[in-house]
Amino acid sequence: GQQLNQSPQSMFIQEGEDVSMNCTSSSIFNTWLWYKQEPGEGPVLLIALYKAGELTSNGRLTAQFGITRKDSFLNISASIPSDVGIYFCAGYNAGNNRKLIWGLGTSLAVNP
Amino acid sequence: DGGITQSPKYLFRKEGQNVTLSCEQNLNHDAMYWYRQDPGQGLRLIYYSQIVNDFQKGDIAEGYSVSREKKESFPLTVTSAQKNPTAFYLCASSRGQGILNTEAFFGQGTRLTVV
Repeated sequence: GQQLNQSPQSMFIQEGEDVSMNCTSSSIFNTWLWYKQEPGEGPVLLIALYKAGELTSNGRLTAQFGITRKDSFLNISASIPSDVGIYFCAGYNAGNNRKLIWGLGTSLAVNP
Repeated sequence: DGGITQSPKYLFRKEGQNVTLSCEQNLNHDAMYWYRQDPGQGLRLIYYSQIVNDFQKGDIAEGYSVSREKKESFPLTVTSAQKNPTAFYLCASSRGQGILNTEAFFGQGTRLTVV
């Protein structure tokens, strides 16, 4: 099935650093979603984006819907140890049989 | 509290046996999904259902079966035909069709180990 290109695949950072990750697609999407998954748990929705150019924040997290509608990025400011996990992007386009298309995830490790 | 409940959290089965994973939601969502997660491969869609009594194959449906007899329930059966069933299985639901209804909410997952 189709997948989004998510990068980087993994990140190892020091506590307090800022983090940036992104997803790109060859197709246009109407919705971009960002999730976080902790070990042994289901993904939890962090931010939902519905409009090209939209910039949305959730605490220390900020995500943007790319103006071309083919990309999105997620920033985490001033990282803390509990930010550890896998971050997934997902895109929706009604033409994809009304399914979400997923990235492979960015694994984040934070050194305290 | 509203949410999605998957049971059991851990499941062990002998090779060659069918096993059914439970997924129940009380969010009044129309759409439900089953994903399989293996290390390094992200989420792969097994089956999905947009409405009661209807479901569609996802990208890796072979060796799996589902039913959607009730809006709140979407059980997944892993059959003996599935060649590599050991994995983490995730159930999700969303309000349904439409751009603003695509946010998927996940259960806690079931880790299936076949020995």
